[in-house]
Amino acid sequence: GQNIDQPTEMTATEGAIVQINCTYQTSGFNGLFWYQQHAGEAPTFLSYNVLDGLEEKGRFSSFLSRSKGYSYLLLKELQMKDSASYLCAVGGGSYIPTFGRGTSLIVHP
Amino acid sequence: DGGITQSPKYLFRKEGQNVTLSCEQNLNHDAMYWYRQDPGQGLRLIYYSQIVNDFQKGDIAEGYSVSREKKESFPLTVTSAQKNPTAFYLCASSIGQTGQETQYFGPGTRLLVL
Repeated sequence: GQNIDQPTEMTATEGAIVQINCTYQTSGFNGLFWYQQHAGEAPTFLSYNVLDGLEEKGRFSSFLSRSKGYSYLLLKELQMKDSASYLCAVGGGSYIPTFGRGTSLIVHP
Repeated sequence: DGGITQSPKYLFRKEGQNVTLSCEQNLNHDAMYWYRQDPGQGLRLIYYSQIVNDFQKGDIAEGYSVSREKKESFPLTVTSAQKNPTAFYLCASSIGQTGQETQYFGPGTRLLVL
């Protein structure tokens, strides 16, 4: 089976840095995805990690440790438009990613 | 412009009625998926299809049916057997299905019960 855990909600201040954690237990591993979803809209792809380490893409970075079953998404220089849900999805043995419940990030001035 | 379209944006269902949600993609993707999203919940997989004329049940397939007669199209029918259909429905596609491909999502259909 698959178990993916991420915090339900986080708040942060505009201009700050926030780290959203995701822990997982899966049978098999084919990579970990992060998606961003604004309220009432479709999720959009942010990052994909299959090897250990940090992947940086502009203000967003994603880290993976396969031995610890752990990933985080790091958002720098937060902007109001970053207020959204952030979904962690893990590709396990079934070849279809399983999604966590998502972390709702609220950015305030 | 390539992408995934879903229609309608909002759909109302009466008691005992079957309704069909449309999903079309022009990305030439082989794999397509249907997810259901409820408040405070992640995306739950209803059905998926790796190739034309083939589809598989996901985690919550009861009360739903699908077809995949064309590569571009993967409609979802919510039957009267689905007792709690109010939710946000998302269709997605990916190039293949090895677990390593990015999924591209449509804008979603919000289904409400009258």
